[in-house]
Amino acid sequence: GAVVSQHPSRVICKSGTSVKIECRSLDFQATTMFWYRQFPKKSLMLMATSNEGSKATYEQGVEKDKFLINHASLTLSTLTVTSAHPEDSSFYICSALPHKGHDTEAFFGQGTRLTVV
Amino acid sequence: GQQVMQIPQYQHVQEGEDFTTYCNSSTTLSNIQWYKQRPGGHPVFLIQLVKSGEVKKQKRLTFQFGEAKKNSSLHITATQTTDVGTYFCAGPIQGAQKLVFGQGTRLTINP
Repeated sequence: GAVVSQHPSRVICKSGTSVKIECRSLDFQATTMFWYRQFPKKSLMLMATSNEGSKATYEQGVEKDKFLINHASLTLSTLTVTSAHPEDSSFYICSALPHKGHDTEAFFGQGTRLTVV
Repeated sequence: GQQVMQIPQYQHVQEGEDFTTYCNSSTTLSNIQWYKQRPGGHPVFLIQLVKSGEVKKQKRLTFQFGEAKKNSSLHITATQTTDVGTYFCAGPIQGAQKLVFGQGTRLTINP
């Protein structure tokens, strides 16, 4: 199946710093990628839809200035958590759809566990 | 907005017992997908159901899609310790590619 690589898998940063998370589709082109946040023992909450060559579409309640998304190429989307605070600590996961249309499975990256101290 | 509800939230069984998780959508779905997330891992696609009333099997796992395409279930027969994890159902938001996930059912097994 399609492979989505996410990096880093774990990161610890100091409060007030910014962290960049990369999501790459390794064997297919993804015009659309999705960024999720998952709290411990909870479901995946969609944060935003990353669109190649255009602005990301954010879900209600997600601060676009806090979570910067850039989709510069067909194989790479980045999520930058700016001025991170302890409450931003979470598991962030990206996903991509290798095919267009609604009837298609999503492939997930390995996830990034962010800890802000 | 569109919601996908999943029950139970937790299920603990003895190894060898059966397990079922149920998923209900507030709207009709074009398809429903099931994912498994192992502890510390990321969601992995299991299966997609598209047709009304569809039933699919993968070894000990049986997936059903309701006639109205608003509910679904995953049944595991004779659970094994490798079945441990959280099972999520997900459906596409109408008119979009993005998925809305159920809350997940966390399965733990006593060997």
